Formats: sequence, structure tokens, C-alpha cells
Amino acid sequence: NAGVMQNPRHLVRRRGQEARLRCSPMKGHSHVYWYRQLPEEGLKFMVYLQKENIIDESGMPKERFSAEFPKEGPSILRIQQVVRGDSAAYFCASSETSGRLYNEQFFGPGTRLTVL
Amino acid sequence: DQQVKQNSPSLSVQEGRISILNCDYTNSMFDYFLWYKKYPAEGPTFLISISSIKDKNEDGRFTVFLNKSAKHLSLHIVPSQPGDSAVYFCAAINTGTASKLTFGTGTRLQVTL
Repeated sequence: NAGVMQNPRHLVRRRGQEARLRCSPMKGHSHVYWYRQLPEEGLKFMVYLQKENIIDESGMPKERFSAEFPKEGPSILRIQQVVRGDSAAYFCASSETSGRLYNEQFFGPGTRLTVL
Repeated sequence: DQQVKQNSPSLSVQEGRISILNCDYTNSMFDYFLWYKKYPAEGPTFLISISSIKDKNEDGRFTVFLNKSAKHLSLHIVPSQPGDSAVYFCAAINTGTASKLTFGTGTRLQVTL
């Protein structure tokens, strides 16, 4: 069973360009979470999605950032008109629906975005 | 507002000795706590967790202690091994209302020979 896949692993963009980060959850997982790690900081929650629905986007910046998890295909985190401050590692995690108190989140290897 | 804090950015321990990593939280609604281990250029991997109804959970060389009144938890690794060298993140969640993990800033553990 393959783990959480993220691509690309490294992404370089110039200021003003768009960045698209993709995440394929583990097989059987229908919940996806995006986290961002700025240099020398911990991971910060951005958004939680289930298939075709955004459940919690309380950590998403109000502008330029959007996320989707379509019925078919990977989850996409889209950053429009990138700025240098968007340079960070973006991690995706996925979990299943189990009815347990906590559904363990499995993390992907991350996409490192560098904005020039 | 940093709700989960790891005040030691780094820790160096000799191989075979005990490593103790500390974490404090401010949100009393957190009821489940986790430790993740992270190597460079990789994603965090789950290490051990504890529910707020317990004060200790043990898994092999790893033990997590929770002191709810002090809003403090710690991870003990004994004996420490060179392969344990990594960044350790403490995380917390309110399982009743949210699915998002709140992470601390991490502690870099270096286990020396």
C-alpha cells in the first residue's frame, strides 16, 4: 500500500506566477489535510477536505490560496501570484474514516516551494 | 498565539542515555496528544500518542507522559540510539470539534556516539 504521494517534491516559481501542489492520499483514505511549514517553525494547519468538500479552511490565507479534492484525482493546493513569503514546505496528510476517537493522519514527503 | 510550545530547539544526548523532550500547551480543550519524528526532506512520521484520560503510554523505547494539571507532556527515549537523531514535533488535537493537528515548533535531537 503506497503512502501519501506528493508532487512535485521541489517547485521553483518567480513572483507573480502560480503554484500547483498535488497530493494523492493513501488508498482507502477519503480525508486530506494540508499543512505549511515555514523555515524554523512547526507545521501549521491550512485546510481539511473530504471528497468534493472543504470541511475546515480556517488556516488558509484569505487571498491567493485555494484547495480542492475532486471526486477523481489528487487533491490540489493552488497558490496564485506567489510572493517570497510563500516559500515553505507544504505537507499533505490523509486519514480514513474509522469511527475511532482520532483518525491517524499519515503525512506525505512534502513539496518544497521556493519563490524567487 | 502558539498553543503548543516546545521551548528547547535542540538537545544533545549520548548514545545509551535517556532523551527527554518536553512540550507545553495552553488550550485545555486539547484531549489527544501525539509525537512525530521528522528527518530532513521527509514528512513527519507518527511515533506515539496519548489520550487525555491517561497519564502514561509506553511503546518499546518510547514513553509519553501527560500532566494535565500542568498542561505538560514529555517524551522519553531510552536508551537513545544514533538513529533517533531527528526533529521531534509535539502535536495536539481537540477530537470533539476539530480534525486539525496543532504542532509545536520542534526539538532537534542529536544522539552522539
